[in-house]
Amino acid sequence: KQEVTQIPAALSVPEGENLVLNCSFTDSAIYNLQWFRQDPGKGLTSLLLIQSSQREQTSGRLNASLDKSSGRSTLYIAASQPGDSATYLCAVSLYNFNKFYFGSGTKLNVKP
Amino acid sequence: NADVMQNPRHLVRRRGQEARLRCSPMKGHSHVYWYRQLPEEGLKFMVYLQKENIIDESGMPKERFSAEFPKEGPSILRIQQVVRGDSAAYFCASSPAGTAGPNQPQHFGDGTRLSIL
Repeated sequence: KQEVTQIPAALSVPEGENLVLNCSFTDSAIYNLQWFRQDPGKGLTSLLLIQSSQREQTSGRLNASLDKSSGRSTLYIAASQPGDSATYLCAVSLYNFNKFYFGSGTKLNVKP
Repeated sequence: NADVMQNPRHLVRRRGQEARLRCSPMKGHSHVYWYRQLPEEGLKFMVYLQKENIIDESGMPKERFSAEFPKEGPSILRIQQVVRGDSAAYFCASSPAGTAGPNQPQHFGDGTRLSIL
């Protein structure tokens, strides 16, 4: 059974800092890994999707890496802004399965 | 994400009543997934449906919960005789094919917040 863990559970940083969010998963036979952003009372917004054969994906100030063999992914946010404040969720899907297994998220607060 | 439409956004029910949650997938998507999110937790998979078929219901509670995705109309998640523990946010996602492939991530709706009094 796939278990997804996100560390830290919460993070508070001053504006402008670079930061790293961590995600680990127990079953390395993943199809892909996706990072989402969730704002309070809202749905999920897809940030980055990494295929199992890829090592990283980049979008603007965001960079996500994937190390399948060690069961880890990191989301790097450069030059953080107050607008980045949200909960960040990591999710993996397994080969031949169509559902995502989610971590509990990291709640990020970027202080002005 | 308004592309996957869920309604109602908020639903209040008393214990013992029925709750019906609706999800209209993105245009062109024929696969629907339901997830439940308890407070301060991640999303937990409930059920995966294609038109008129339940493909995977391994995350559905054995009793009181059912889901359908008819040939016409939205997908429905139905909870009978609701209890306080059913209070949660229920999210729907859709995709155009059976696998969340590299160019086909699941798209999520804004969810239905269910509160049981």
